[in-house]
Amino acid sequence: GQSLEQPSEVTAVEGAIVQINCTYQTSGFYGLSWYQQHDGGAPTFLSYNALDGLEETGRFSSFLSRSDSYGYLLLQELQMKDSASYFCAVNHNQGGKLIFGQGTELSVKP
Amino acid sequence: EPEVTQTPSHQVTQMGQEVILRCVPISNHLYFYWYRQILGQKVEFLVSFYNNEISEKSEIFDDQFSVERPDGSNFTLKIRSTKLEDSAMYFCASSGIAEAFFGQGTRLTVV
Repeated sequence: GQSLEQPSEVTAVEGAIVQINCTYQTSGFYGLSWYQQHDGGAPTFLSYNALDGLEETGRFSSFLSRSDSYGYLLLQELQMKDSASYFCAVNHNQGGKLIFGQGTELSVKP
Repeated sequence: EPEVTQTPSHQVTQMGQEVILRCVPISNHLYFYWYRQILGQKVEFLVSFYNNEISEKSEIFDDQFSVERPDGSNFTLKIRSTKLEDSAMYFCASSGIAEAFFGQGTRLTVV
């Protein structure tokens, strides 16, 4: 089967750092993506890892360990506008489908 | 910035009716997708489309569903004989190699 596990909820305060973990079990793996979704709107691409290691994009970083089938999204200097759902998703192959996790709802408090 | 556009934004239909959801993907992308999201749940893959044919489909995408690319720009999802459980947000997406761009979605309500 195919499954992605991530925490359902995370709460943090403005200015803090938060890490959202994702473990996966899939039949095909090309890379791990992260998407942000505000209030049921369009999922928005944040980051992508095809190789092991850390990818940094501004306040957001993503990490992948293929041998551990594990990745995380790191959000720094949290802002209120970061309150949203965050989904990890496995890319099955180049241009192939995305299999999404259940999503982590992040609440940023003042 | 290029974007994926979907119409309509909301669609209410009676059970048993057919609906067509429309999408204009990003023009130079090669891969197109439909996903759905039932309220409060995860985004679920329905179908991928490449080189004018279906490349992959999920168990959800049964004979009730079909996709077309009738011209060079539009990409449609047809749902025949809608059921109450088809009520969901339907997202179209297109991609190059890795990053998928999603449209704003069509909220389908079957009554």
